[in-house]
Amino acid sequence: SQTIHQWPATLVQPVGSPLSLECTVEGTSNPNLYWYRQAAGRGLQLLFYSVGIGQISSEVPQNLSASRPQDRQFILSSKKLLLSDSGFYLCAWSPITPELFFGEGSRLTVL
Amino acid sequence: KQEVTQIPAALSVPEGENLVLNCSFTDSAIYNLQWFRQDPGKGLTSLLLIQSSQREQTSGRLNASLDKSSGRSTLYIAASQPGDSATYLCAVANFNKFYFGSGTKLNVKP
Repeated sequence: SQTIHQWPATLVQPVGSPLSLECTVEGTSNPNLYWYRQAAGRGLQLLFYSVGIGQISSEVPQNLSASRPQDRQFILSSKKLLLSDSGFYLCAWSPITPELFFGEGSRLTVL
Repeated sequence: KQEVTQIPAALSVPEGENLVLNCSFTDSAIYNLQWFRQDPGKGLTSLLLIQSSQREQTSGRLNASLDKSSGRSTLYIAASQPGDSATYLCAVANFNKFYFGSGTKLNVKP
């Protein structure tokens, strides 16, 4: 069966520091991969999605970037964090027939 | 652009009550609709997936319906239990993209 792993689960970072969140999927090949952000009390905002290695689509211009160095690996990065980057980040994957499966999420607090 | 709305934003009911959560979307050209449950501080767990050609799906005490032409879906929870307390989100899929509502926060009181 397929599983998705996301880490770290919790992160506290100072303003201006870099960020790297990692997500891997097991048990499938060539999944579509997604990064979402969920601000407190709000819905999910799609940040990036990828349909293949090196293919990244950005939905919202911001201080973040994404990369897909391997088929089942998706990385969310920032060179310099802002206070507004705080939130709950969720990685998800979908097979070719669209159906989303989520990781456990990463809580980022920028101080 | 697809917009998804969920009503109500919050709901508090006594244990044992049957309840309905609503989801509406503006563009009926969807591939499917998915209902999720989110517990505090956790990721989203998929509850039900309805393909665009289907009218409803059932899993245990949960039943989800889809009326694509009117842009509406409902999630029916029968005989609610305190363990059902969570936020419920719906999402519609347009090819590779998924659009989410803001969720309904459900509290089932013992």
